[in-house]
Amino acid sequence: DADVTQTPRNRITKTGKRIMLECSQTKGHDRMYWYRQDPGLGLQLIYYSFDVKDINKGEISDGYSVSRQAQAKFSLSLESAIPNQTALYFCATSDANQPQHFGDGTRLSIL
Amino acid sequence: QQQVKQSPQSLIVQKGGISIINCAYENTAFDYFPWYQQFPGKGPALLIAIRPDVSEKKEGRFTISFNKSAKQFSLHIMDSQPGDSATYFCAASITSYDKVIFGPGTSLSVIP
Repeated sequence: DADVTQTPRNRITKTGKRIMLECSQTKGHDRMYWYRQDPGLGLQLIYYSFDVKDINKGEISDGYSVSRQAQAKFSLSLESAIPNQTALYFCATSDANQPQHFGDGTRLSIL
Repeated sequence: QQQVKQSPQSLIVQKGGISIINCAYENTAFDYFPWYQQFPGKGPALLIAIRPDVSEKKEGRFTISFNKSAKQFSLHIMDSQPGDSATYFCAASITSYDKVIFGPGTSLSVIP
């Protein structure tokens, strides 16, 4: 089983819909992150959380929200999806000052 | 403004050749420089990393060279193999801040 699991792996939806992407981990890490990957731009940090009661905005948080339901679960929501949010989304986890471990991503298409 | 610049955007190397990817940064507070490897359909995975107190780190066929004064670092893949074909991201972070800034990535193709 994967240490960092993202669901769904693929999603196609329409403009204006609310979308939730979920991430769960079995690594026991305190820190969790959501990134967006676009061709030619690398990975951009959307939100991150250093423990259950901690939520921080990243570089590109506008249009997104997150919830840290438990140490092992971190979900990303798009309240009203728009086409330019079409991208590959990655969740990652880490311990303090340690490398990040990534899930296999969610490919999101917004029509 | 891109805090970590990476070149080339894509690279084709023959099997057995040397692949070289270059990165540059501006923020002198960065103190940790990892490289990630990403295969299609997978998330990035840590390949090798270096801190600025050393100028080179080697792990198998992969070597990071680091030039602190020029604020540049590079990944060298010796004896490149088709299985090395992937996208490579350089990155930088301030350890105590624990947020990683990624470069835009290099798509490497190793041809037989």
